[in-house]
Amino acid sequence: DTGVSQDPRHKITKRGQNVTFRCDPISEHNRLYWYRQTLGQGPEFLTYFQNEAQLEKSRLLSDRFSAERPKGSFSTLEIQRTEQGDSAMYLCASSLPTGSMNTEAFFGQGTRLTVV
Amino acid sequence: AQKVTQAQTEISVVEKEDVTLDCVYETRDTTYYLFWYKQPPSGELVFLIRRNSFDEQNEISGRYSWNFQKSTSSFNFTITASQVVDSAVYFCALIGQAGTALIFGKGTTLSVSS
Repeated sequence: DTGVSQDPRHKITKRGQNVTFRCDPISEHNRLYWYRQTLGQGPEFLTYFQNEAQLEKSRLLSDRFSAERPKGSFSTLEIQRTEQGDSAMYLCASSLPTGSMNTEAFFGQGTRLTVV
Repeated sequence: AQKVTQAQTEISVVEKEDVTLDCVYETRDTTYYLFWYKQPPSGELVFLIRRNSFDEQNEISGRYSWNFQKSTSSFNFTITASQVVDSAVYFCALIGQAGTALIFGKGTTLSVSS
């Protein structure tokens, strides 16, 4: 399978706990994105990496959120001290750089987080 | 600022009807890219089409067609002879040449009944 994969697919956690999600992008894609999607809304940009460098973070990304992409391969998104408002689908996507002939982002199946 | 507006929240049609999903965008970039994605109940966003701002040719792919009009900042999507399997949420998205990430509209939920 050469698509974007995310793990886990579902996560239920108690408020206040920390959670970590993983994303494995398409191997030749150097851009990796994290989005959050709540019910009835489109995906909202959280952060993106070009190779191992985190180049932009959205204002949605509070200080409880941290993302890493060591060695420019897989990425992790950690949420500390989860709150009920963090319940959402977390989507990962990867792409070639904008300006390339193929700029479309390919998405994983997402991790659905429920904070109880 | 960049923005994508999908004014239709939900559309219901009967199989074999044609349906058009509207998308209006705002950007100050002279070069940009527009996209449509499909999100079936399984949740994964499926890429449908990319259109460059300098290419206003309409495109047809099977039952799908796209009408890009820079004059009205619109990129509408038409499904001809809709099928039940077309039921999904459809998102229009935009990225500027210097942009870092796709900006999505809120999506249109299409329900096709048999």
